[in-house]
Amino acid sequence: EDQVTQSPEALRLQEGESSSLNCSYTVSGLRGLFWYRQDPGKGPEFLFTLYSAGEEKEKERLKATLTKKESFLHITAPKPEDSATYLCAVQADSWGKLQFGAGTQVVVTP
Amino acid sequence: DVKVTQSSRYLVKRTGEKVFLECVQDMDHENMFWYRQDPGLGLRLIYFSYDVKMKEKGDIPEGYSVSREKKERFSLILESASTNQTSMYLCASSDLTGTALNIQYFGAGTRLSVL
Repeated sequence: EDQVTQSPEALRLQEGESSSLNCSYTVSGLRGLFWYRQDPGKGPEFLFTLYSAGEEKEKERLKATLTKKESFLHITAPKPEDSATYLCAVQADSWGKLQFGAGTQVVVTP
Repeated sequence: DVKVTQSSRYLVKRTGEKVFLECVQDMDHENMFWYRQDPGLGLRLIYFSYDVKMKEKGDIPEGYSVSREKKERFSLILESASTNQTSMYLCASSDLTGTALNIQYFGAGTRLSVL
């Protein structure tokens, strides 16, 4: 059975304190790994797609990387507006079904 | 920009009521999905549809049904609402491709409380 595990469950950072979130997965035939950001009371917002081991994507203070067993979301010098829950999901079939992790809640304090 | 619109942000219903959650997307996407999101459990797939009139069960379809009469509209139906269906419901859509690029775009969610 496909599984996606995110750690830590919650992360509290000082503004400017860089850190990383982890997404480990077991899936047969990975087609893609997705990172989403979700603000309280809102739907997830797409951030990145990664396809193959070694791939990296960047957007502002966020950088996502992928290995054969896990993905990391690095937050460099975070600001309070980076506070959100970050969700990881994997796609293993062609119809776009995603298996989501439970998310990491990030709080960045000034 | 892709827009996925869910008809209600908040709903309060009574046990046993029939509940309709509506979702409309404006990007001519083939695929549409319904999830529920509960604390600590993440997003769980209820039903999905990859074409008009076509529907497939997800991981937790019990107690739910869906309707897709038009490409842009996907409805989730709770035939007889129960308190354990109190949750945040999220609708998503994506394009149909043969590659891994199947980005799902989400609506804002409907927070349903069943009393």
